[in-house]
Amino acid sequence: AQSVTQLDSQVPVFEEAPVELRCNYSSSVSVYLFWYVQYPNQGLQLLLKYLSGSTLVKGINGFEAEFNKSQTSFHLRKPSVHISDTAEYFCAVSYNAGGTSYGKLTFGQGTILTVHP
Amino acid sequence: NAGVMQNPRHLVRRRGQEARLRCSPMKGHSHVYWYRQLPEEGLKFMVYLQKENIIDESGMPKERFSAEFPKEGPSILRIQQVVRGDSAAYFCASSLTAAGGKTGELFFGEGSRLTVL
Repeated sequence: AQSVTQLDSQVPVFEEAPVELRCNYSSSVSVYLFWYVQYPNQGLQLLLKYLSGSTLVKGINGFEAEFNKSQTSFHLRKPSVHISDTAEYFCAVSYNAGGTSYGKLTFGQGTILTVHP
Repeated sequence: NAGVMQNPRHLVRRRGQEARLRCSPMKGHSHVYWYRQLPEEGLKFMVYLQKENIIDESGMPKERFSAEFPKEGPSILRIQQVVRGDSAAYFCASSLTAAGGKTGELFFGEGSRLTVL
């Protein structure tokens, strides 16, 4: 079975500071990896995803993440955050194998990023 | 992702009543997923439907919960005889292809927030 652990439930930072949101996963098979952002009272929006290829993935709004297979991690980073980045961030995985053509996501518990002026 | 429409956005029910949540996928999408977000937790997969078919309901509670996606009209998530533990945000997502659920090509609605008194 696959599981996702987001190590920090809340991360407060000051504007223009760098930030890293941590995500570890466990799976016995190869996985696809995702980061989603959820603004208050809204649905989830895909920030970035890793399917294959380069382990450094760039997404929207200046975010990037690095897939580390040996450490089973997919940490999200941004070199300089803005007030508008305040939101909840979810890491998710899906199976990259199996006989089914469809898939479903397994989400972490979420990390609330609060950017202070 | 504003293309996935969910209603109602907020629903209050008393214990024992029925709750019906509706989801209209993005235009042209015939694959619908329902996820539940309990307080302080990440989203958990409930069910995956294609038009007129339930493909995977492995995340649905065995009793009181049902889902449908008829040939015409929105997908419906129905909860009978609601209990306080059903209070949560219910998110619908749609994809253009079956693989979208695996590769993250999902578009989420803004959610329906159910409160059971």
